[in-house]
Amino acid sequence: QSVLTQPPSASGTPGQRVTISCSGSSSNIGSNTVNWYQQLPGTAPKLLIYSNNQRPSGVPDRFSGSKSGTSASLAISGLQSEDEADYYCAAWDDSLNAVVFGGGTKLTVL
Amino acid sequence: QLQLQESGPGLVKPSETLSLTCTVSGGSISSSSYYWGWIRQPPGKGLEWIGSIYYSGSTYYNPSLKSRVTISVDTSKNQFSLKLSSVTAADTAVYYCARAYWYQLPPSFDYWGQGTLVTVSS
Repeated sequence: QSVLTQPPSASGTPGQRVTISCSGSSSNIGSNTVNWYQQLPGTAPKLLIYSNNQRPSGVPDRFSGSKSGTSASLAISGLQSEDEADYYCAAWDDSLNAVVFGGGTKLTVL
Repeated sequence: QLQLQESGPGLVKPSETLSLTCTVSGGSISSSSYYWGWIRQPPGKGLEWIGSIYYSGSTYYNPSLKSRVTISVDTSKNQFSLKLSSVTAADTAVYYCARAYWYQLPPSFDYWGQGTLVTVSS
């Protein structure tokens, strides 16, 4: 049972916009920023979004993040086949004094 | 280009200690603002943060693993290491080392090793 809650799966067709949610609590998302990671099959995770909505250099602007209260979302617009991957949200939990991850969302491009 | 590489045994017996080393190349482990961490992923499951260390030796550990984990750093070798004691089958996972940019919480793991599978079995 992960501290942050994500839907186990999501899907969309090429060109569509999809969103992935991440729900937490006042001790994590409610009081700290959220990062998102993309894990392509068989590879290490890659930092996709940091500080709720900032993209590292090289990440396409098709990827965007947002946060409201104790929830966060990752949006992917203009969906492409290469976006098929697992996506994880992460936050710092002030009560646990630890990094916590969501359980991950498997995105399928139909 | 910064690179991280995990090394260590791929098979550990139950009740023994898992030991892994991460070698950093293309940059200094003594860089300010960066911690160095371990994250694991059981087969088919999600990510779990194990802990992180600063080059000075300052550490943060996941409280769920804290009693069994030791992370250390060797700046002369540009390496940091993980020891996890009293392992069980539940500790079977791909173990990743990563650089953590700790200027804001949560830390951002921006460079990762390729990961190494450690299986706990007799």
